[in-house]
Amino acid sequence: DVKVTQSSRYLVKRTGEKVFLECVQDMDHENMFWYRQDPGLGLRLIYFSYDVKMKEKGDIPEGYSVSREKKERFSLILESASTNQTSMYLCASNQRSYSAKNIQYFGAGTRLSVL
Amino acid sequence: AQKVTQAQTEISVVEKEDVTLDCVYETRDTTYYLFWYKQPPSGELVFLIRRNSFDEQNEISGRYSWNFQKSTSSFNFTITASQVVDSAVYFCALSVLYGNNRLAFGKGNQVVVIP
Repeated sequence: DVKVTQSSRYLVKRTGEKVFLECVQDMDHENMFWYRQDPGLGLRLIYFSYDVKMKEKGDIPEGYSVSREKKERFSLILESASTNQTSMYLCASNQRSYSAKNIQYFGAGTRLSVL
Repeated sequence: AQKVTQAQTEISVVEKEDVTLDCVYETRDTTYYLFWYKQPPSGELVFLIRRNSFDEQNEISGRYSWNFQKSTSSFNFTITASQVVDSAVYFCALSVLYGNNRLAFGKGNQVVVIP
């Protein structure tokens, strides 16, 4: 079974702190994704990575950065957390495909509260 | 750009009733895949079904069935004889051939099955 593991289920941080959300997958997938989920807005893509050290902005990259130093690990970084970044963060991965068919597999999510 | 619309937000049904979730999508691409995911209270999105744009055959898998109609750009999902374990948020999603493996998600349907 594919496993995508997010390091924390719940996280509470203070405004201005630097926050790291970690995601690890064990299926040798090339692609990894970070989403943010908010009530009434569904899932929105923050960043994705299609290879080590490669990244592309998603729909809402402002206030976030990412790091992919190893194939299995994809980190989301909030350089200076703000209250409007309080949200559920979901990581996903899939195999790179030249079709559109590959299923994305998701982690259990990290619920981040910024106070 | 791709767009997925799930008009209903919360749907409540009594156990054993059927529930149908509507999904309407927009894309200019002719090759694409449609997905349904389930998000139980635990938070992890679980893949349910996938359909490509060239296959309009509707299928049944256990208590799940789907109705894909290209003419109306709809990909509706039905749970037959609902159970309490079906209580979850359900997301419809779309990926296109040249979309870098990205998924465009609808905002989700909260399904509540009342015992």
